[in-house]
Amino acid sequence: EIVMTQSPDTLSVSPGERATLSCRTSQSVSSKVAWYQHKPGQAPRLLIYGASTTATGIPARFSGSGSGTEFTLAISSLQSEDFAVYYCQQYSSWPYTFGQGTRLEIK
Amino acid sequence: QVQLMQSGAEVKKPGASVKVSCKASGFTFNDHAMHWLRQAPGQRLEWMGWINTGDGDTRYSRDFQGRVTIASDTSANTVSMELRNLRSADTSVYFCARLAGNAWYLDYWGQGTLVTVSS
Repeated sequence: EIVMTQSPDTLSVSPGERATLSCRTSQSVSSKVAWYQHKPGQAPRLLIYGASTTATGIPARFSGSGSGTEFTLAISSLQSEDFAVYYCQQYSSWPYTFGQGTRLEIK
Repeated sequence: QVQLMQSGAEVKKPGASVKVSCKASGFTFNDHAMHWLRQAPGQRLEWMGWINTGDGDTRYSRDFQGRVTIASDTSANTVSMELRNLRSADTSVYFCARLAGNAWYLDYWGQGTLVTVSS
């Protein structure tokens, strides 16, 4: 099973600043990584797939990069609605697995 | 717009069963596999299984094989997940989600259903 490790567990950033979230996989997954945003009580939302393709309706301030075992989600200028928990997921090898999440909080 | 609306929270006793439903709207139901995942408190999301709504074919993760049944009702655009022989470790938020297409990421999710197992 591929283990996904996200860092940091919690990230404190001020609105308007840039946030960078990391995800590392225990073995290469090529570019088969997706990123999701989750707010309490709401449905998780797909942000990025294929490591760098932005999903439909996602603002341009969200971007993804990486391949192999190292991946990054960047949010260029944080808005109030961006404070949430973010998960990465690999879909290269079954069982498809998720990271433990990064909580993005207001500084 | 695509929506997945799940049934409400449940409280069950150990050994009981629970059935969670997920009503889909805004897309052609038979065109997408529907998946079930769960997240226990402080734990990672884990896949439970899925159903191909086109032909009703189901697949279950090894950890849930024999205890879970996923079904679909195409006339009602609804999928359901039944988990049997509940134990306290099954206390989780359960999610339905739509498979995007040919790749295994999930493009729309339900809001989640909290199932609490307690004596």
